[in-house]
Amino acid sequence: QSALTQPRSVSGSPGQSVTISCTGTSSDVGGYNYVSWYQQHPGKAPKLMIYDVSKRPSGVPDRFSGSKSGNTASLTISGLQAEDEADYYCCSYAGSIWVFGGGTKLTVL
Amino acid sequence: EVQLVESGGGLVQPGGSLRLSCAASGFTFSSYDMHWVRQATGKGLEWVSAIGTAGDTYYPGSVKGRFTISRENAKNSLYLQMNSLRAGDTAVYYCARGRGSSWDYWGQGTLVTVSS
Repeated sequence: QSALTQPRSVSGSPGQSVTISCTGTSSDVGGYNYVSWYQQHPGKAPKLMIYDVSKRPSGVPDRFSGSKSGNTASLTISGLQAEDEADYYCCSYAGSIWVFGGGTKLTVL
Repeated sequence: EVQLVESGGGLVQPGGSLRLSCAASGFTFSSYDMHWVRQATGKGLEWVSAIGTAGDTYYPGSVKGRFTISRENAKNSLYLQMNSLRAGDTAVYYCARGRGSSWDYWGQGTLVTVSS
């Protein structure tokens, strides 16, 4: 099972919106509504930001939203804040296994 | 408060074995699927194994046959037995609580280094 494809980096200014894509196949992203997104700051454990494509856990700001179209999922962060600067990973269930994307470094300019 | 605390990491020679533990607290451990996820230094996340509430286990091809996940509900503990270790297994290993097909709580990780 190959890793999901994410852009290596994205950037935006405070207050702007950015979208991170996550492309898989019909065996993972396209086949299940089980895409999740994780935020990871340096030296810290990952934090769940979005699950089941578009659901937000309690405590995650509504500036974070998720969607999916076909084999590509997306994470959109609106109203960028300095603390959003981190690595972001998508993950998809793929039938008894889980596959991650390579990660995207978000820089807040 | 949900807490997951990993232990058992360290330096091991190629071909060696290591057993990781994860102590869980703050929730009904037996009611949740549990997973191990690893991250090599400077690299991305990789799912390593999962165990369901009924003891069913799952592995990716990269560790199947070498790693064994297990749980001891009476001790609120999760384990990962790693055999035939390779340099490519060097990583921080995280214990994570399953939430459907995602992970809502993670430990701080334990470092495994495979080197001669």
